[in-house]
Amino acid sequence: SQQGEEDPQALSIQEGENATMNCSYKTSINNLQWYRQNSGRGLVHLILIRSNEREKHSGRLRVTLDTSKKSSSLLITASRAADTASYFCATGATGANSKLTFGKGITLSVRP
Amino acid sequence: DVKVTQSSRYLVKRTGEKVFLECVQDMDHENMFWYRQDPGLGLRLIYFSYDVKMKEKGDIPEGYSVSREKKERFSLILESASTNQTSMYLCASSKAGTTPLHFGNGTRLTVT
Repeated sequence: SQQGEEDPQALSIQEGENATMNCSYKTSINNLQWYRQNSGRGLVHLILIRSNEREKHSGRLRVTLDTSKKSSSLLITASRAADTASYFCATGATGANSKLTFGKGITLSVRP
Repeated sequence: DVKVTQSSRYLVKRTGEKVFLECVQDMDHENMFWYRQDPGLGLRLIYFSYDVKMKEKGDIPEGYSVSREKKERFSLILESASTNQTSMYLCASSKAGTTPLHFGNGTRLTVT
């Protein structure tokens, strides 16, 4: 059962621009996480935001969470060609030992 | 840094063969997971384990089994490989609950 749904499916921007990616989900969560995947590699964890948090920053990344709308956004500021990758949101449902459920991902291309 | 190592980057097997995919993590994590990733479908959870000798079915367990005899090792077994199991297989581990996952680099399996 796929919980997170990312939007858009693909995004192409110029280096230096900001990239905004969105994720919506259906059921209650205790946290939401964003991951990056470079072509042909495993996923790398970027940032985790808990259900009682509204915004979190890490370097050029800013994540927001709106639990009333069941949505999150990931903003990458001042994008670089090296940010070209697929980005996934993953939701952790409430309850002990819950597993993460991933969306289908967003393909971000940053043109030099 | 946590290291999750998958034994093979690429595998080619014939239909009907028994296939073993091995995964080892070096950070004493309780949780281990097997996902498969297909274009347009994102990551789908096959099986996961919260402790040695313990396993739970994910969203698509049919045609697969797992083994966790030691805490650091989680094996995915395809009892009789079929062409629809051609995919990228990703192993991951985490400390507990829905804490961030650490992924291996994946095994691209082709069944002919």
